[in-house]
Amino acid sequence: DQQVKQNSPSLSVQEGRISILNCDYTNSMFDYFLWYKKYPAEGPTFLISISSIKDKNEDGRFTVFLNKSAKHLSLHIVPSQPGDSAVYFCAASAGIQGAQKLVFGQGTRLTINP
Amino acid sequence: NAGVTQTPKFRILKIGQSMTLQCTQDMNHNYMYWYRQDPGMGLKLIYYSVGAGITDKGEVPNGYNVSRSTTEDFPLRLELAAPSQTSVYFCASSYGIRTQYFGPGTRLTVL
Repeated sequence: DQQVKQNSPSLSVQEGRISILNCDYTNSMFDYFLWYKKYPAEGPTFLISISSIKDKNEDGRFTVFLNKSAKHLSLHIVPSQPGDSAVYFCAASAGIQGAQKLVFGQGTRLTINP
Repeated sequence: NAGVTQTPKFRILKIGQSMTLQCTQDMNHNYMYWYRQDPGMGLKLIYYSVGAGITDKGEVPNGYNVSRSTTEDFPLRLELAAPSQTSVYFCASSYGIRTQYFGPGTRLTVL
């Protein structure tokens, strides 16, 4: 049972344009959502997060949108840069007590073309 | 400040062998985690720890054991390696319940 899904295995975007990565979830108990970026042979690095009490969070070129009714979140990167080429993972967690047990999507490989 | 370090980077095991994957963090984080990532899949939680002496199972704990005797170290033990344990293993740590910081991973192949 895949609780967090990223239905696009790959995405190719022109440098300078907007990249939009999508993520769907099924568990209504999830209340915190994160995006991680991963380069080959490295561990994931935290990018941006959003709590379920918000519908938008911005950090520089990165914006995450949350649509709770649709159980959908998206990551927007504007403008896209060659260094953004990586695999992006969406992750979710439930509850504020105890450890943060993240559930990850399968990842989307983003390629930024010059 | 090295963050989260993992050793070894790569390892090939024969079926039935055992090994310990090492994980150390120098950020004084109380929470530590072990994940595995299979090809084309997201990371899955194996075990986690909320402090020295306290560990608990994640989503896929079968075939693994952990211990946490110090704040810094969280080793993962494979007792009888099986081909299904071929994967990339990531250790992570956090202070509190939110952002987790990951190590570079250990690529394990069981033949």
